[in-house]
Amino acid sequence: AQSVTQPDIHITVSEGASLELRCNYSYGATPYLFWYVQSPGQGLQLLLKYFSGDTLVQGIKGFEAEFKRSQSSFNLRKPSVHWSDAAEYFCAVRWIGFQKLVFGTGTRLLVSP
Amino acid sequence: DAGVTQSPTHLIKTRGQQVTLRCSPKSGHDTVSWYQQALGQGPQFIFQYYEEEERQRGNFPDRFSGHQFPNYSSELNVNALLLGDSALYLCASSSGQKNSPLHFGNGTRLTVT
Repeated sequence: AQSVTQPDIHITVSEGASLELRCNYSYGATPYLFWYVQSPGQGLQLLLKYFSGDTLVQGIKGFEAEFKRSQSSFNLRKPSVHWSDAAEYFCAVRWIGFQKLVFGTGTRLLVSP
Repeated sequence: DAGVTQSPTHLIKTRGQQVTLRCSPKSGHDTVSWYQQALGQGPQFIFQYYEEEERQRGNFPDRFSGHQFPNYSSELNVNALLLGDSALYLCASSSGQKNSPLHFGNGTRLTVT
């Protein structure tokens, strides 16, 4: 079955500290990988995407993510978190041959002063 | 350049009623997808429309139906509303190009009482 797992429901980091949000997926077909961010009451904004090529991708707002096929993972990172990064982050996967995006349950990021 | 617009932003309905949600895709996009996001969950794929036809459907009952118009806008209809249909309904659009990422609207918050 196609599934996406974000093992951390909540994460709290201090402003200026580094961040890593975890994402794992299951299903054997070629994946297309995405990270979205959602502020309260808002829709989803695309942070970055991976289709092929270099496994380290850069996105907006200083975020990056690394695709590790052997671990079925696509973790999101940021070297220095800002208070404005507090939001809900969703990992999503679309498998080749399918139109739908499968989302994880999300990780809520809290930023402490 | 207007992004994905959805209407209404909020809606309150009673069990058993019917509801219609509307979506206008981002300029240049011809494909519309609908997602349901329950509180505290990731979005779940309902269906996708392309060239006025349903191209793929998720695990939702037939009470959920849709339509796409020649101008690419779309409607989501839900009949015989249940309390469990209360959620944020997100519309996303994309272009016909391969690997075109989804752009999401801010959603319609539906409350069923």
